[in-house]
Amino acid sequence: DVKVTQSSRYLVKRTGEKVFLECVQDMDHENMFWYRQDPGLGLRLIYFSYDVKMKEKGDIPEGYSVSREKKERFSLILESASTNQTSMYLCASSLYRGGGHGNQPQHFGDGTRLSIL
Amino acid sequence: KQEVTQIPAALSVPEGENLVLNCSFTDSAIYNLQWFRQDPGKGLTSLLLIQSSQREQTSGRLNASLDKSSGRSTLYIAASQPGDSATYLCAVLSNYGGSQGNLIFGKGTKLSVKP
Repeated sequence: DVKVTQSSRYLVKRTGEKVFLECVQDMDHENMFWYRQDPGLGLRLIYFSYDVKMKEKGDIPEGYSVSREKKERFSLILESASTNQTSMYLCASSLYRGGGHGNQPQHFGDGTRLSIL
Repeated sequence: KQEVTQIPAALSVPEGENLVLNCSFTDSAIYNLQWFRQDPGKGLTSLLLIQSSQREQTSGRLNASLDKSSGRSTLYIAASQPGDSATYLCAVLSNYGGSQGNLIFGKGTKLSVKP
């Protein structure tokens, strides 16, 4: 089974802090994704990466950056945390099977519930 | 812009009932559609994935159908059990910038199965 592991289930930080959320997958997947999930807004894509050192902006990249130095690890960085970044953050990965599009299921981690005070 | 809608937002049924969850999307140019389950405070578990060329997929008591031309999918759950209680999310893979595509999610249907 695919295993996507997020480093923390719960995290509390203060405004202005630099925050790192880590995600590791063990299935040699090319694609990795970061989402946030908020009540009434659903899941929204922040950033995704389809290869080491590659990144693409999603729908809501402002205030975030990412790092993909190794294939198995995708980090989300809050440069200067703000209270409106309090949310559930979900990481996902999928296998790329060619044909121009990643037609493989996305597998999710358990999420990190981040509170910014 | 692709939009995904799930109706109803919440559903409560007695144990043993067969039920259908609905998902609609505005742009039929999708690569695939995926159904997920989410338990409270947890991540998403992938249930079924239907490629754009397929009409349905089955796994155990779950059956998902896809009508791309009308922009609709349904998730059928047979003989529901209290353990099926969760939020069910539908997502479509649409082209977004790079070649890998991007999942667009509905807001989910919260299912409660009463014993």
